[in-house]
Amino acid sequence: GAGVSQSPRYKVAKRGQDVALRCDPISGHVSLFWYQQALGQGPEFLTYFQNEAQLDKSGLPSDRFFAERPEGSVSTLKIQRTQQEDSAVYLCASNPGLYNEQFFGPGTRLTVL
Amino acid sequence: KNEVEQSPQNLTAQEGEFITINCSYSVGISALHWLQQHPGGGIVSLFMLSSGKKKHGRLIATINIQEKHSSLHITASHPRDSAVYICAVLITNTGNQFYFGTGTSLTVIP
Repeated sequence: GAGVSQSPRYKVAKRGQDVALRCDPISGHVSLFWYQQALGQGPEFLTYFQNEAQLDKSGLPSDRFFAERPEGSVSTLKIQRTQQEDSAVYLCASNPGLYNEQFFGPGTRLTVL
Repeated sequence: KNEVEQSPQNLTAQEGEFITINCSYSVGISALHWLQQHPGGGIVSLFMLSSGKKKHGRLIATINIQEKHSSLHITASHPRDSAVYICAVLITNTGNQFYFGTGTSLTVIP
């Protein structure tokens, strides 16, 4: 595709519900990043993949957060038992390699009621 | 965690003014990114720097590795430059992580 796409663009979940957020990176991009951006704040790093390998997941805020990229392309960020503090925009970015400019998706705005 | 500090947090300028946004960081980095985020919009990468200076149109980014400081300059500012500008640093010595500043909100008045 022409750019990084994310789906859904908006998600409303009831507290306790599980959600899955999808990221389609630019074809051929090796690196993929997930970020969380709370309202009025800058993005915060969650996790990083190089191909299918999750090389850094130190930013995941709790064990309710899980990310995968099984075939080295599409990635899914899963949040189990969502809580209100999980409400944020979840951004995905990809690039051809770690030392290249990142291309960001439009984000998924998650609202937990 | 305040690995990345930006200043100012908010900036209002008249159209045509020269604008400078600053970014300071406290750890050794492998690269620094300047990003632009329009209200309600996605994030666009403006520059990636590991040394020196880069220029693209009216935008100029500089970095001083020794002083752990980078600046983003906008010449002849225009209302369409109004956005949040975010500095992000890549740290690779303890994994591969990006740390972001909280952004500088720029408003350019016609």
